[in-house]
Amino acid sequence: GQNIDQPTEMTATEGAIVQINCTYQTSGFNGLFWYQQHAGEAPTFLSYNVLDGLEEKGRFSSFLSRSKGYSYLLLKELQMKDSASYLCAVRDRGNDYKLSFGAGTTVTVRA
Amino acid sequence: DTEVTQTPKHLVMGMTNKKSLKCEQHMGHRAMYWYKQKAKKPPELMFVYSYEKLSINESVPSRFSPECPNSSLLNLHLHALQPEDSALYLCASSRAGTGGVNTQYFGPGTRLLVL
Repeated sequence: GQNIDQPTEMTATEGAIVQINCTYQTSGFNGLFWYQQHAGEAPTFLSYNVLDGLEEKGRFSSFLSRSKGYSYLLLKELQMKDSASYLCAVRDRGNDYKLSFGAGTTVTVRA
Repeated sequence: DTEVTQTPKHLVMGMTNKKSLKCEQHMGHRAMYWYKQKAKKPPELMFVYSYEKLSINESVPSRFSPECPNSSLLNLHLHALQPEDSALYLCASSRAGTGGVNTQYFGPGTRLLVL
């Protein structure tokens, strides 16, 4: 099984940077996903990491260190619309269909 | 196009009712999923269909019955539900098979209230 930890809540100011950490323990790692979910809406895919390093997509970047069981999602130039829950999800080797989700980090962006 | 559609958006049903949730995708994905999500909790996997065959059933009560009539459609039949089954039900789809990224794309969900 998986044990995935993320902070519950984070608050930041518009225009600032926020880093959401995710740590995991798995018997066989096979990829980590980040999703954004606005209240009452579906999760939307943000990024995928399977190898160590940084993946950049516009204002969002995601980093992975497999040896440390650690990932982070970096949100730059925060906008009010970035206020949402951010879910870290880990896939285990041996089952490509099963994602284990963290509890999610609620980010609130203040003016 | 990464769109997964779900109907209805909202559903209120009594404990003796029978209803169905529907999900559709036209991305050519051969894996489709049902998740249940309670407020302020992460999605919980219920079922996975791979190439139209049930691949995973996460010990879901039999009052939830999935069906995959073809590669684009996924249904969830509901019967004799309990109030605690009230939740957001999310459908997702992805490519199937091993070795790929197989990102799951979610539909907007059906918000279900059981009275």
